[in-house]
Amino acid sequence: DIVMTQSPLSLPVTPGEPAAMSCRSSQSLLYTNGYNYVDWYLQKPGNPPQLLIYLASTRASGVADRFSGSASGTNFTLKISRVEAEDVGVYYCMQGLQNPRTFGQGTKVEI
Amino acid sequence: QVQLVQSGAEVKKPGASVRVSCKTSGYTFIGNFMNWVRQAPGQGLEWMGNIHPGTGGTYYAQKFQGRVTMTRDTSISTAYMELNRLTSDDTAVYYCASDIAGQQLHSWGQGTLVTVSS
Repeated sequence: DIVMTQSPLSLPVTPGEPAAMSCRSSQSLLYTNGYNYVDWYLQKPGNPPQLLIYLASTRASGVADRFSGSASGTNFTLKISRVEAEDVGVYYCMQGLQNPRTFGQGTKVEI
Repeated sequence: QVQLVQSGAEVKKPGASVRVSCKTSGYTFIGNFMNWVRQAPGQGLEWMGNIHPGTGGTYYAQKFQGRVTMTRDTSISTAYMELNRLTSDDTAVYYCASDIAGQQLHSWGQGTLVTVSS
């Protein structure tokens, strides 16, 4: 199975400031179509996860443009350009290249 | 709009089985994989497997093989997940989540808490 390793596991943030978190995969997630099959989800307290970013860098519909994703080899980054209070929660990366799909451990973002 | 509505909370005894339903609307049910993800209390997300409602084809994570069955009823756009031989380690919130338009786990149900306790 592909292992997804997130860091940091806890990320204190300040509203208005940028924030970034990482996810590393144990093998390439690049498919022959040129896309990396990595998604990012945010789980706000008491809620199901919600899709933020798919295919490493495409924002899902309705997601604020302060969220961005990027890829470099087997390293993936989620950035928040200016943190807002509503961004607190746990962020998970997931690989969808092959079954079983696997999640990272999560990065808990707190103000 | 897309909606996934799951069945209510369950309390089961060890050794029992549980079936969770996920009724969908607002998108093409038969054309998109339905996934099941669980989350134990205070823990992360664990992908259990998925079903393609159009074909009925399934993939189960090895951890759950032999104990989980995913099915669907296309006439009512509903997916089901049954887990057998429950233990306390199966106490978790179970989510259905549909792939839509190539976006994996695009939409999620509200979750179903399954508590296994003697």
